[in-house]
Amino acid sequence: AAGVIQSPRHLIKEKRETATLKCYPIPRHDTVYWYQQGPGQDPQFLISFYEKMQSDKGSIPDRFSAQQFSDYHSELNMSSLELGDSALYFCASAAGGFYEQYFGPGTRLTVT
Amino acid sequence: SQKIEQNSEALNIQEGKTATLTCNYTNYSPAYLQWYRQDPGRGPVFLLLIRENEKEKRKERLKVTFDTTLKQSLFHITASQPADSATYLCALGAGSYQLTFGKGTKLSVIP
Repeated sequence: AAGVIQSPRHLIKEKRETATLKCYPIPRHDTVYWYQQGPGQDPQFLISFYEKMQSDKGSIPDRFSAQQFSDYHSELNMSSLELGDSALYFCASAAGGFYEQYFGPGTRLTVT
Repeated sequence: SQKIEQNSEALNIQEGKTATLTCNYTNYSPAYLQWYRQDPGRGPVFLLLIRENEKEKRKERLKVTFDTTLKQSLFHITASQPADSATYLCALGAGSYQLTFGKGTKLSVIP
């Protein structure tokens, strides 16, 4: 069965640079979520989209922005990167918003 | 503020026994609760969802209970196997799209 696809899987950036993470949800899933997970931490909700509209917002820094496109894929744009942004970034998708979420393999971002 | 506590950071159990993990919450009125499994460096994998009006849910060797009076969920793995070793996360949802995760319990099943 098709799963959530994230790219790139690994990304190394320097401080103050920008990064773009991409997420391709499971076919026919209309909801996308973004999470940040630091080492030994639980996933922290950043933002979600339902039918291409922002549906909920969590602890996403103002330096980050995201959107969901007409084909339902989503991109998380991160600017002015800081060392503390180093983490695993997960995208998850769901059908209809309030149901179980299917997570991608994650993007490991390292900021040096 | 909302708080989710999972009983312990780590739980060791003998193969074949039943593992019981606890998730307690405060200052929260969840509409549903979910359990996920996460292996190191990988994304969480959905296991079970239970709604506030449900007391118990089962799936193969897994069982979840949900007590909204005690504000607690119990997650059981019967006949545990070494392959069940992973971190298990509980997550609460309250009608918005946001899921709030607990910090997880790392389960080790010893052969």
